[in-house]
Amino acid sequence: AQSVTQLGSHVSVSEGALVLLRCNYSSSVPPYLFWYVQYPNQGLQLLLKYTSAATLVKGINGFEAEFKKSETSFHLTKPSAHMSDAAEYFCAVSKGGSNYQLIWGAGTKLIIKP
Amino acid sequence: DAGITQSPRHKVTETGTPVTLRCHQTENHRYMYWYRQDPGHGLRLIHYSYGVKDTDKGEVSDGYSVSRSKTEDFLLTLESATSSQTSVYFCAISEGQGQGSGEQYFGPGTRLTVT
Repeated sequence: AQSVTQLGSHVSVSEGALVLLRCNYSSSVPPYLFWYVQYPNQGLQLLLKYTSAATLVKGINGFEAEFKKSETSFHLTKPSAHMSDAAEYFCAVSKGGSNYQLIWGAGTKLIIKP
Repeated sequence: DAGITQSPRHKVTETGTPVTLRCHQTENHRYMYWYRQDPGHGLRLIHYSYGVKDTDKGEVSDGYSVSRSKTEDFLLTLESATSSQTSVYFCAISEGQGQGSGEQYFGPGTRLTVT
């Protein structure tokens, strides 16, 4: 069965430091991959998506993610963390090669230390 | 932002009462979804719809029913609410298969408390 694993339910970084949120997936077919962000008391917002056009994907708010097929990974990075980045981040993969259902990771809460 | 609204945004109800949550979209997207979000469980799919009157179960469908009589509206009903259904409920929409890459767009959520 397909799955998405996000390493670390909580990640804490200092303001200005590199942000790295890890996502590994299992899929038997080329996947579509997504990162979403959820700010407190809000819905999920699409941060970026991989659709096979380019392995390095740039998203909103300075985030980017790199698709590595050999590692089945799609890690999210940002060079310099800002206090406003504090939120929960979810990785998702399209289910079974279709694009109408997503398999979700458990989420990683990003904490920014001043 | 995708035009998705949910109503009500907050509701407190008593065990055993029926509850209906509404999701309304203005994007004319084919697919609509209901999720629940609970601490430690992430997002779990309750039901989804792939067209008017076409719905299917997700992973946690017990105790829930849905209806979609118009493209723009997707209703989630708890026939007899239980305390285990206290949660935050999110509606999402997607253009779906054959259109784009299947990203989903989310509503603002409904916080439901069953006492």
